[in-house]
Amino acid sequence: NAGVTQTPKFQVLKTGQSMTLQCAQDMNHEYMSWYRQDPGMGLRLIHYSVGAGITDQGEVPNGYNVSRSTTEDFPLRLLSAAPSQTSVYFCASSNLAGVAGETQYFGPGTRLLVL
Amino acid sequence: AQSVTQLDSQVPVFEEAPVELRCNYSSSVSVYLFWYVQYPNQGLQLLLKYLSGSTLVKGINGFEAEFNKSQTSFHLRKPSVHISDTAEYFCAVIPTDSWGKLQFGAGTQVVVTP
Repeated sequence: NAGVTQTPKFQVLKTGQSMTLQCAQDMNHEYMSWYRQDPGMGLRLIHYSVGAGITDQGEVPNGYNVSRSTTEDFPLRLLSAAPSQTSVYFCASSNLAGVAGETQYFGPGTRLLVL
Repeated sequence: AQSVTQLDSQVPVFEEAPVELRCNYSSSVSVYLFWYVQYPNQGLQLLLKYLSGSTLVKGINGFEAEFNKSQTSFHLRKPSVHISDTAEYFCAVIPTDSWGKLQFGAGTQVVVTP
């Protein structure tokens, strides 16, 4: 199993540009989520999904869109990039069977710089 | 709402010495507790978690943590660290009835030197 994969690894954007961060998992996990990691702030939840066609907002959703058309994929879209979105983005997935107690598996991250 | 406080942002430690990383949380509901580790330029991986039962939880790589409900703490310990334990460590909590919305602490950077 490849686990959770993310592309690209690095990206530089100009303010106002849009882009999509890709996330895929091959573990048949129902739950998928996006976090951003900023120095001194830990990880903060952006959006999450409990299955295909079902998404919801996390703690910091503004400026980001998600959709979940398949179990495997959960892309994160930046509509109009801003310097405040410079961060490291992590995708994670888990089973739903045990709900809150399930281990979340993280991808390697995407480093985004917005100029 | 929940919050997680990791009391040390950085912990320097010598190789083969013990280390303790402190984590306190606040929550009005029951929570599960986790410790994740992030090695340089990698994603996070689970070290251990407390769901129920024994308050002393053993994880991978010789780490253990003790849940103390009265003090709302979940401190992580290792009796003898290696250079390879240099990493950032995150404490996280989640309400037991939640859909996986982990609340992370700010992280503790552990630097192990020879």
